[in-house]
Amino acid sequence: DAKTTQPPSMDCAEGRAANLPCNHSTISGNEYVYWYRQIHSQGPQYIIHGLKNNETNEMASLIITEDRKSSTLILPHATLRDTAVYYCIVRVGTSGATNKLIFGTGTLLAVQP
Amino acid sequence: SAVISQKPSRDICQRGTSLTIQCQVDSQVTMMFWYRQQPGQSLTLIATANQGSEATYESGFVIDKFPISRPNLTFSTLTVSNMSPEDSSIYLCSVKGGTEQYFGPGTRLTVT
Repeated sequence: DAKTTQPPSMDCAEGRAANLPCNHSTISGNEYVYWYRQIHSQGPQYIIHGLKNNETNEMASLIITEDRKSSTLILPHATLRDTAVYYCIVRVGTSGATNKLIFGTGTLLAVQP
Repeated sequence: SAVISQKPSRDICQRGTSLTIQCQVDSQVTMMFWYRQQPGQSLTLIATANQGSEATYESGFVIDKFPISRPNLTFSTLTVSNMSPEDSSIYLCSVKGGTEQYFGPGTRLTVT
């Protein structure tokens, strides 16, 4: 699976959009981009995933560049409860023997009041 | 979605002893995973456990140290054997459901 690079930490004001970048320059054509987050003392929580197209759900939006070498997770209106470590992971497909998620170091997002 | 529970939620153990962690899922799943999260670190995959077959261990993890059982499609155990203080970590169970992967709340282990 391709390696990802994320900034170690970011701050965001409450109510503003949080934009978390991720570089995955060695991503292969069949690898998906997944985002998870881990709130302190809890297990990781799935946020969103995508292959080529931008994706949006009730939690966030995922913007993937046309060359797929980077992506941005957007939390449109950050709240204090969004303070967490955010992990960007690339993984081959969604089924089969390559199911395992390999976590990098992630970005600690601190939402400030 | 899948709801995962783990027992115990936390424990303090003596060096040289073993602890078995249980993972229960509210639905049948084929693939289960065990992760370790050392203090201040990211998650590291220990092994993948499929029902009816031997667990597959990641580099740096061996069966003698972390034996895993997977007796059915809703349950698994991870044993941390002959513990040392370096084994102090949070151990998390995870399952795949559809396109997502779900995680349990973790077991916080402290070895003294």
